[in-house]
Amino acid sequence: GDSVTQMEGPVTLSEEAFLTINCTYTATGYPSLFWYVQYPGEGLQLLLKATKADDKGSNKGFEATYRKETTSFHLEKGSVQVSDSAVYFCALTHTGRRALTFGSGTRLQVQP
Amino acid sequence: GAGVSQSPSNKVTEKGKDVELRCDPISGHTALYWYRQSLGQGLEFLIYFQGNSAPDKSGLPSDRFSAERTGGSVSTLTIQRTQQEDSAVYLCASSPDRANTGELFFGEGSRLTVL
Repeated sequence: GDSVTQMEGPVTLSEEAFLTINCTYTATGYPSLFWYVQYPGEGLQLLLKATKADDKGSNKGFEATYRKETTSFHLEKGSVQVSDSAVYFCALTHTGRRALTFGSGTRLQVQP
Repeated sequence: GAGVSQSPSNKVTEKGKDVELRCDPISGHTALYWYRQSLGQGLEFLIYFQGNSAPDKSGLPSDRFSAERTGGSVSTLTIQRTQQEDSAVYLCASSPDRANTGELFFGEGSRLTVL
């Protein structure tokens, strides 16, 4: 079955540092890939997505590129802020299927 | 309200008791999902409702778990004879998207602790 593997956290960075959170997946065919973010005290919300190979999703300075050859969808940001401190979840789904498959989440802590 | 609302936010119960968790989706959203997040684990799919169609119950872990959705809106997740392994955060999400393109709107969750 489908699965998503994320790097374990917490990831602790200083403000303005470069961020990478690794995500790899196992799935048949060509799933759609997502990053969700959960800020403290809030529900998960969609951060970005990509629906086919080589697509790049981007939002709020975050980017992730759908790499079919390496089955990866790593999240990057060039300069993190304290307000980016949150838990980040990688996920996938196949169009028409009813459930997203999520990774276990990676906590990011950004220090001033 | 503007978002998905869940209640209670926290529930502590004794092993063997029944619990009900409630979800109010965003108005007009036809799809509703329940997920479970255990400590250190990813989100585990439980059940999915889409309009008036039969729900997809394929993720429910045992027959102690059930859910209903009344009038295509509010949903209740019921856990009977709770066990300690049921302790988790139960997340509800809704979506306006019949094609399930993956954009779900989540509530803050109901944290269940079974003593």
